[in-house]
Amino acid sequence: SQQGEEDPQALSIQEGENATMNCSYKTSINNLQWYRQNSGRGLVHLILIRSNEREKHSGRLRVTLDTSKKSSSLLITASRAADTASYFCATAPRGSSNTGKLIFGQGTTLQVKP
Amino acid sequence: DAGVIQSPRHEVTEMGQEVTLRCKPISGHDYLFWYRQTMMRGLELLIYFNNNVPIDDSGMPEDRFSAKMPNASFSTLKIQPSEPRDSAVYFCASRDSSNQPQHFGDGTRLSIL
Repeated sequence: SQQGEEDPQALSIQEGENATMNCSYKTSINNLQWYRQNSGRGLVHLILIRSNEREKHSGRLRVTLDTSKKSSSLLITASRAADTASYFCATAPRGSSNTGKLIFGQGTTLQVKP
Repeated sequence: DAGVIQSPRHEVTEMGQEVTLRCKPISGHDYLFWYRQTMMRGLELLIYFNNNVPIDDSGMPEDRFSAKMPNASFSTLKIQPSEPRDSAVYFCASRDSSNQPQHFGDGTRLSIL
């Protein structure tokens, strides 16, 4: 079964607004990663947060991790039309640090309207 | 730097035919992953290699699927015989041993008629 479940499945916002996507998972993890996928393309890594971290920033991205609730959120601030894509969380189960094996969620489709 | 290269980008074939998907990982990466993406099941890990050796093939759906990595710069995923339910986008990804994130190719969109 999928490790990560994402919420919402789809999100539509206006340019300039913030977008928040949530991810829940089931088992203990080493780290959690967020990836982005543009239509017809492969996934691109955005940010990685380790299990001992609670928050991480990268440009307009902010990721939080709550291991007690087994959940994470991705916030994109001041969204742009170019942010339109699908966003996936991926968990590295504990014990997988030497393999990099990831389990992906179903993704959130984000549409940013100009 | 060249990324992960997959070929072909699109493949349309009739059921029963053999299909071979190809992947060239990033030079220096010693882990290679094959995924399948569908609307119904999302992104599924099929198999992964470390130093050209298959480590975990538990995601391979059935014996019709096979994967090889004859050297560090090339891997194939073969389906024989193909069935319509194999229609999906197949991705290859690679990473190095320093626990860095995976790098994905742009995938092969496979349609089995």
